[in-house]
Amino acid sequence: DIQMTQSPSSLSASVGDRVTITCRARQGISNSLAWYQQKPGKAPKLLLYGASRLESGVPSRFSGSGSGTDYTLTISSLQPEDFATYYCQQYYTTPYTFGQGTKLEIK
Amino acid sequence: EVQLLESGGGLVQPGGSLRLSCAASGFSFSNYAMSWVRQAPGKGLEWVSEISGSGESAYYADSVKGRFTISRDNSKNTLYLQMNSLRTEDTAVYYCAYGRYYAGSHDHWGQGTLVTVSS
Repeated sequence: DIQMTQSPSSLSASVGDRVTITCRARQGISNSLAWYQQKPGKAPKLLLYGASRLESGVPSRFSGSGSGTDYTLTISSLQPEDFATYYCQQYYTTPYTFGQGTKLEIK
Repeated sequence: EVQLLESGGGLVQPGGSLRLSCAASGFSFSNYAMSWVRQAPGKGLEWVSEISGSGESAYYADSVKGRFTISRDNSKNTLYLQMNSLRTEDTAVYYCAYGRYYAGSHDHWGQGTLVTVSS
């Protein structure tokens, strides 16, 4: 199985801040990396796939980068609706695996 | 509009069985692989299983292999998850999901159904 290590596990930030979340795969996953946002009591929402491709309807303040084993999600200017939990996930091979999540909280 | 509607969750005793269903609409169901993903209370996301569009291929997480069976009925646009020998650690919200772009990149999710395994 490909273990995904996501950091930090929690993050406090203010509206307008720029934040970065990282995700490291135990082996190369050829950009087969998705990022999700989840709010309490709701299903996850796909933000990016292919490491850097923005899902339709997702604001451009979200961006992704990386290659090989190391990937990042960046939110350029936090908005109130962005406070949520974020997960990375590799879909390079089954079993698909998720990072443990990053809870983004208001400072 | 794509809709995925899970049903079949509930309370079951350890060792018991349950079958989840996911009714799909708004897309060509048979053209897409479908997955089940679960989330234990207060925990992260865990992929459970995936089935190909034709139903010929299926994949499982080690944690459920041999106990859970994924299947689909393309004539009814419905995905299933048969869960046997349930354990307390299977307690979770179960989501069905699929990806238009890549099988494992899930851009559509159901609302989830809660399975509670407890005596």
